[in-house]
Amino acid sequence: KNEVEQSPQNLTAQEGEFITINCSYSVGISALHWLQQHPGGGIVSLFMLSSGKKKHGRLIATINIQEKHSSLHITASHPRDSAVYICAVSSKDNYGQNFVFGPGTRLSVLP
Amino acid sequence: DTEVTQTPKHLVMGMTNKKSLKCEQHMGHRAMYWYKQKAKKPPELMFVYSYEKLSINESVPSRFSPECPNSSLLNLHLHALQPEDSALYLCASSQWVVNQPQHFGDGTRLSIL
Repeated sequence: KNEVEQSPQNLTAQEGEFITINCSYSVGISALHWLQQHPGGGIVSLFMLSSGKKKHGRLIATINIQEKHSSLHITASHPRDSAVYICAVSSKDNYGQNFVFGPGTRLSVLP
Repeated sequence: DTEVTQTPKHLVMGMTNKKSLKCEQHMGHRAMYWYKQKAKKPPELMFVYSYEKLSINESVPSRFSPECPNSSLLNLHLHALQPEDSALYLCASSQWVVNQPQHFGDGTRLSIL
């Protein structure tokens, strides 16, 4: 069993739809990160969470520490949101020095 | 534009060549990272530098040799690579190693002939 799992693996949506990507983890964490990777390769850090909820523009991230679960929501989705979304955790082992990555969710938003 | 700059963007080399990948950041970050990413897989951590000292080496083969000459610069020296080493190599930096968001470069796409 992977330490960080994501669902769905692939997601296709129509422009304007509300999107949810889920992440569950089995290790003790000091923080959870949501990352976005476009086809060109570069990775952008979207959120770092240790509790509660954060919002940035059309993106909302939540985390439930007791249930070891996080969600990334995209409201009013747009074709430019098409990317791979990666959940990563800073494991409590190694004092949170390194990320444990989930497998990623490939999102395509159609116009 | 990313704040972490990686050069070159693409590199093709033979198995007997020696080349280097370069990563630079001017955000005053004291932690820097090298990752390897194969197609349709998440990144895999290779090395972590903290205050210019190697902090983590994830059992990477010695044909990959990292170097951190100063707090802004991180190199990855390559020698005698294998075809399976073809991948996207990503550099990242963070303010320090513990519980910080990481800023990633766009990567160097490496092909070994």
